[in-house]
Amino acid sequence: EPEVTQTPSHQVTQMGQEVILRCVPISNHLYFYWYRQILGQKVEFLVSFYNNEISEKSEIFDDQFSVERPDGSNFTLKIRSTKLEDSAMYFCASSGQTFSGANVLTFGAGSRLTVL
Amino acid sequence: RKEVEQDPGPFNVPEGATVAFNCTYSNSASQSFFWYRQDCRKEPKLLMSVYSSGNEDGRFTAQLNRASQYISLLIRDSKLSDSATYLCVVLPPSGNTGKLIFGQGTTLQVKP
Repeated sequence: EPEVTQTPSHQVTQMGQEVILRCVPISNHLYFYWYRQILGQKVEFLVSFYNNEISEKSEIFDDQFSVERPDGSNFTLKIRSTKLEDSAMYFCASSGQTFSGANVLTFGAGSRLTVL
Repeated sequence: RKEVEQDPGPFNVPEGATVAFNCTYSNSASQSFFWYRQDCRKEPKLLMSVYSSGNEDGRFTAQLNRASQYISLLIRDSKLSDSATYLCVVLPPSGNTGKLIFGQGTTLQVKP
């Protein structure tokens, strides 16, 4: 079964440091996403990406966050200057071989970010 | 009112029991509805989409009531492996950008 892969599985960083989380979406999917889940809380949408540009972003996704698809396979989330409250599980997801399938997301296993 | 609201539980049931979870959503124009399952510290996995006419997948039955803005999930003949958190998920009317709104989740613990 095709899967979304994420690296690293766990990253510990100091406050103020830059972090890049990496994702390899399912190869023939067209839509890519980042969600996050703070421990004990609900899953929250961060950003969606289609056709090499951001489709939609949440209020959480401020200027400290950016996404990029640097090549044909990777999809990255960068946090420029991490804060304590950025500690969370970050899930990458992909969907949509066709437009009608865009809303059925497959999630990766997540990258746990701990900011000290 | 929360965008998607669920009873957090936990629901503790014996094996073989039937259990029902409910969910309400605030935006009447929401487009699509799903149930996802999340095991502890794992990613959400799609359990089933929810259709207006109701739909069934084995032991799982999902219902949607648009008038009441209410979604339900029924699990029959519970198995130990059903123990997980069940997430009610709604696609808002903002368009097909994949922005899903998740509920807090309802935790199910099936005991032998």
